[in-house]
Amino acid sequence: QKEVEQDPGPLSVPEGAIVSLNCTYSNSAFQYFMWYRQYSRKGPELLMYTYSSGNKEDGRFTAQVDKSSKYISLFIRDSQPSDSATYLCANTAPRGSYIPTFGRGTSLIVHP
Amino acid sequence: DAGVIQSPRHEVTEMGQEVTLRCKPISGHDYLFWYRQTMMRGLELLIYFNNNVPIDDSGMPEDRFSAKMPNASFSTLKIQPSEPRDSAVYFCASSPTVHPTGYTFGSGTRLTVV
Repeated sequence: QKEVEQDPGPLSVPEGAIVSLNCTYSNSAFQYFMWYRQYSRKGPELLMYTYSSGNKEDGRFTAQVDKSSKYISLFIRDSQPSDSATYLCANTAPRGSYIPTFGRGTSLIVHP
Repeated sequence: DAGVIQSPRHEVTEMGQEVTLRCKPISGHDYLFWYRQTMMRGLELLIYFNNNVPIDDSGMPEDRFSAKMPNASFSTLKIQPSEPRDSAVYFCASSPTVHPTGYTFGSGTRLTVV
């Protein structure tokens, strides 16, 4: 079992929908939780990150961490076709090398 | 800044041939990372450098893989001899710190070994 699990999708939604992308992890030492967005034939880019539990909001995006259940979510409000991409979650411990463990990503398609 | 530059963008080679992937990190970034991405295994770290020195190469799959960073503006990942199972997208990333919130990825090299 990978330390970070994601449903690969694809998840297909109509424009304007609220999208929920999810990730589970097994290593209780993880403290930093990141979401990367990867467009087709491009490298991943950091979308947002949180430290420990709680929510973080940035425009249409909200990241939520529930450490008790080892469950991470990314919500996208008013989804747009330009949000169509693969979303990778990544987690890392607070000390040591900080090398992140990535999930395999969830493919999102927002159709007009 | 042009970002992290990787070349070539695509490489098709025959099994047994030597393959060299190249990366130019962002100027001033002290850390450089080589990742491999496949559908089955996702994004995996192969090796990373700090100030041109290899720090952790535990992700390098076999002795057929080697990486160098002769100076702060250039790194190579070499596979010799290449095998079909090496087919993947190889990404280079650089960062001003070791923390992953600082990573900038290149656009990757899509390697196909036939």
